[in-house]
Amino acid sequence: GAVVSQHPSRVICKSGTSVKIECRSLDFQATTMFWYRQFPKQSLMLMATSNEGSKATYEQGVEKDKFLINHASLTLSTLTVTSAHPEDSSFYICSAPAGGETQYFGPGTRLLVL
Amino acid sequence: DAKTTQPPSMDCAEGRAANLPCNHSTISGNEYVYWYRQIHSQGPQYIIHGLKNNETNEMASLIITEDRKSSTLILPHATLRDTAVYYCIAYTGTASKLTFGTGTRLQVTL
Repeated sequence: GAVVSQHPSRVICKSGTSVKIECRSLDFQATTMFWYRQFPKQSLMLMATSNEGSKATYEQGVEKDKFLINHASLTLSTLTVTSAHPEDSSFYICSAPAGGETQYFGPGTRLLVL
Repeated sequence: DAKTTQPPSMDCAEGRAANLPCNHSTISGNEYVYWYRQIHSQGPQYIIHGLKNNETNEMASLIITEDRKSSTLILPHATLRDTAVYYCIAYTGTASKLTFGTGTRLQVTL
């Protein structure tokens, strides 16, 4: 199957700082990527849709000014958590559809805000 | 996307077949049935998908009822490494967003 990578795999930061997470499709191009968040013992919740060349689309309740998304190229989307606080600590996962169909997921990034 | 219903948990002995059911009674004609699994602290892994016909790949088999209102994912010889949360999702497969339910937590035991 297609491969999606994420970097970093885990990050610890101080409250008030910003953290950038990268999502790359390694062997295919993706005009659309998706960002999810998962809290312990819960399912994945879609945060936003990242669109190459245009603004991201955010799900209801997700602050677009706090979670900045940039789809810089057909293989890279970044999620920046600005002014992170402890409640932003979570598992962040991206996905991308290969061939415009089946979605493949990255390995996830675990964020801990102290 | 149509809502899917799965049992919250299941157990399976190692080496035996694991049969994971999913109900999707409101699935529309253009929605596929997709299965993913999530092993602890990892991103979801694609397993298999189908529209009407039964499907088989190196990981699993997917049996879809004729009326498409339910399906069963079959892991023919479960191993301890198959312990994970399995998600059944009705999805058009057109690069639109996936909606995850609560899935089935499969525990494979010795």
